[in-house]
Amino acid sequence: GAVVSQHPSWVICKSGTSVKIECRSLDFQATTMFWYRQFPKQSLMLMATSNEGSKATYEQGVEKDKFLINHASLTLSTLTVTSAHPEDSSFYICSAPKGAGLLFYEQYFGPGTRLTVT
Amino acid sequence: SQELEQSPQSLIVQEGKNLTINCTSSKTLYGLYWYKQKYGEGLIFLMMLQKGGEEKSHEKITAKLDEKKQQSSLHITASQPSHAGIYLCGADKGGSSNTGKLIFGQGTTLQVKP
Repeated sequence: GAVVSQHPSWVICKSGTSVKIECRSLDFQATTMFWYRQFPKQSLMLMATSNEGSKATYEQGVEKDKFLINHASLTLSTLTVTSAHPEDSSFYICSAPKGAGLLFYEQYFGPGTRLTVT
Repeated sequence: SQELEQSPQSLIVQEGKNLTINCTSSKTLYGLYWYKQKYGEGLIFLMMLQKGGEEKSHEKITAKLDEKKQQSSLHITASQPSHAGIYLCGADKGGSSNTGKLIFGQGTTLQVKP
């Protein structure tokens, strides 16, 4: 299957600093990628849609100024957690769907990034 | 908004036993995904079902989507310790619009005792 990578796999940062997480599709191009977060023992919650060449769209309740998304190329999306606080500590997972046009038939997820804010 | 409910929430089975996990949707499913996740890791794509009555198998795992397209089941035959993990069902938020944005059930944690 398709491979999606994330970097870093885990990061610890101090409160008030910013952290950047990368998501790459390694063997296919993805004009759209998605960012999810997962709290311990909970399911994944969609945060935002990353669009190559245009602004990201955010789900209700997600602060766009706090979670900056940049879709720099057809294989790379980055999520920057700005002015991180302990409550931002979570597992962040990206997905990159393969498909033709608007038909997303296969969704591939990255291995996730565990963020701990101290 | 659409919601997915999985049952059971957790399951402990003896190696070699069969098991079934269910996923029930509050609305019609136009695409139902099954993933497996090990705690703290990413999601492994298992199968996607689209048509009512559809059934797919991969190795010892079989997934079905009912005719009404509101419920899916994942069946594991002769379970092995390697099957242990969290199983998640997911569906497109856009329903028939196929947006690529997924909502997920709360997950079913499976333990397989050797």
